Amino acid sequence: DVKVTQSSRYLVKRTGEKVFLECVQDMDHENMFWYRQDPGLGLRLIYFSYDVKMKEKGDIPEGYSVSREKKERFSLILESASTNQTSMYLCASTRGILNTEAFFGQGTRLTVV
Amino acid sequence: GNSVTQMEGPVTLSEEAFLTINCTYTATGYPSLFWYVQYPGEGLQLLLKATKADDKGSNKGFEATYRKETTSFHLEKGSVQVSDSAVYFCAPNYYDKIIFGKGTRLHILP
Repeated sequence: DVKVTQSSRYLVKRTGEKVFLECVQDMDHENMFWYRQDPGLGLRLIYFSYDVKMKEKGDIPEGYSVSREKKERFSLILESASTNQTSMYLCASTRGILNTEAFFGQGTRLTVV
Repeated sequence: GNSVTQMEGPVTLSEEAFLTINCTYTATGYPSLFWYVQYPGEGLQLLLKATKADDKGSNKGFEATYRKETTSFHLEKGSVQVSDSAVYFCAPNYYDKIIFGKGTRLHILP
């Protein structure tokens, strides 16, 4: 059974903290993505990666960074968490680019207080 | 840039009613088209897909046809069930990244 695993289902962090969200996939997929999901706004792409050590900005990269040191792991970093980063964060992976299905993790609900 | 528009929710229907959720996309290139579903408390999962014009994707009684001439990929089901209550996302894959619609929340009343 293919799997994308996010390290936490729920997180509560304080304003100004550095926050790490981890995502691991066991399907040997090349591409990995981080989205945030907010009511009324759908899924918005934060960052994505097509290969180890590669990263591309999505639509809303401000306040975030990413790391991909190994093919199976893609980390999202909030350098200094703020209350407007309270959201549901979803990690996804795909094999290649054409005609491919995205596999999602369960999501991490982050609350910044 | 590329974009996708799907009908706003929430949509509330009675069990056994007919469902249509509209989706249109921008026509840059030749995207593959997907519908994803998100059940409460879960991540998204693939519902169905179509990869070329006039293809029909189907799964769990849901169907959608790739209409290149109208750049649409409307989701339909002939008789909905309470268990279909979820959020549905239309998602064209534009070769460099997947674009998601804002999602349509569906409530089915018994």
